[in-house]
Amino acid sequence: KAGVTQTPRYLIKTRGQQVTLSCSPISGHRSVSWYQQTPGQGLQFLFEYFSETQRNKGNFPGRFSGRQFSNSRSEMNVSTLELGDSALYLCASSHVGGGGAREQFFGPGTRLTVL
Amino acid sequence: AQSVTQLGSHVSVSEGALVLLRCNYSSSVPPYLFWYVQYPNQGLQLLLKYTTGATLVKGINGFEAEFKKSETSFHLTKPSAHMSDAAEYFCAVSANSGGYQKVTFGIGTKLQVIP
Repeated sequence: KAGVTQTPRYLIKTRGQQVTLSCSPISGHRSVSWYQQTPGQGLQFLFEYFSETQRNKGNFPGRFSGRQFSNSRSEMNVSTLELGDSALYLCASSHVGGGGAREQFFGPGTRLTVL
Repeated sequence: AQSVTQLGSHVSVSEGALVLLRCNYSSSVPPYLFWYVQYPNQGLQLLLKYTTGATLVKGINGFEAEFKKSETSFHLTKPSAHMSDAAEYFCAVSANSGGYQKVTFGIGTKLQVIP
């Protein structure tokens, strides 16, 4: 099976711009989660989508949004970029169901730099 | 509600020494527990997981972890550190919340291996 893919891998934007990041999960995985990773704050949960519905949301401002398509691919959008949004954005997919342990499979991340 | 606490955001060990990374969790229902590793400029990958059964779990690269319910701990160990073990390690808990498995990550521990 192909792994989780994220595009683009690197992105440079300026303050005030908006950005869209894309994540393609492992085939058959219907859950996609997004995380922001920074040196100061560590790994922080942004949101999770399952079957095109946001199932869970972290403590981020409304500038951060996401969506999931019928093929389970997901995008996240950040509007009005701030310097503090510079981070590695990680996407993880998982199989949901059966009540078993939910292992997450991570993509390589998108490195966003805001100037 | 569930949570994960990783004691020590940075740990340094000498090459050949014991590696011990601490993880304590909180969960109101029986949890599944995971350790993930992240090498520089990569996403997270699974090291090992505890689901049910044997409380001592062996993972890749010689790592193991022991689930201790009474101590609500899931510490990660490796008898002899290797230079290639230098990475960031994340503990995670997955537990039933509102009918689905919610996943929560710790903030991570950076392991430095000194030659």
